[in-house]
Amino acid sequence: KNEVEQSPQNLTAQEGEFITINCSYSVGISALHWLQQHPGGGIVSLFMLSSGKKKHGRLIATINIQEKHSSLHITASHPRDSAVYICAVRSGAGGATNKLIFGTGTLLAVQP
Amino acid sequence: DAGITQSPRHKVTETGTPVTLRCHQTENHRYMYWYRQDPGHGLRLIHYSYGVKDTDKGEVSDGYSVSRSKTEDFLLTLESATSSQTSVYFCAIGTSVYSYEQYFGPGTRLTVT
Repeated sequence: KNEVEQSPQNLTAQEGEFITINCSYSVGISALHWLQQHPGGGIVSLFMLSSGKKKHGRLIATINIQEKHSSLHITASHPRDSAVYICAVRSGAGGATNKLIFGTGTLLAVQP
Repeated sequence: DAGITQSPRHKVTETGTPVTLRCHQTENHRYMYWYRQDPGHGLRLIHYSYGVKDTDKGEVSDGYSVSRSKTEDFLLTLESATSSQTSVYFCAIGTSVYSYEQYFGPGTRLTVT
């Protein structure tokens, strides 16, 4: 079993819909990241969380440390949101290496 | 965008040949990482560096070596490429152990025939 699990693996939505992508992890973490990868493109960091909630534009990320779960929400979705969304955790209490453990990603397609 | 470039961006090579991928940063960050990305797997760490000449293995390091002789450059070498090393390779840089942020390069698509 992967240490970081995302659901769903694939998601198709209509423009304007509210979207939720989930991430569960099985290790102790010091931070959780949400990343975005467009087709053929590079990887961009959206959020880094260690507690609570963060919002940037139409994107909202939440984390529940006790339940080892995070969600990424997209409000008023748009076709340009179509991408792979990746959850990654930084395990442990810290250290000099800053290594991340990645989920396999959620492929989102938003149709006009 | 963080100043990270990778070269080459695409490469096709034959089994058994050596291949070197280059990651170059202009941010003067201490930490650098090489990942591979394959369908059905998350990004997996190959090797990382925490300073000039300071490197260590990640979870999928077999068949790969790295070198970092300057802060700005981190080289990944496949000594004798195999078809299982066909993948997309990403370099990333990290600001500090306290920041946790990593910034990714554009990726290199490597095909081993």
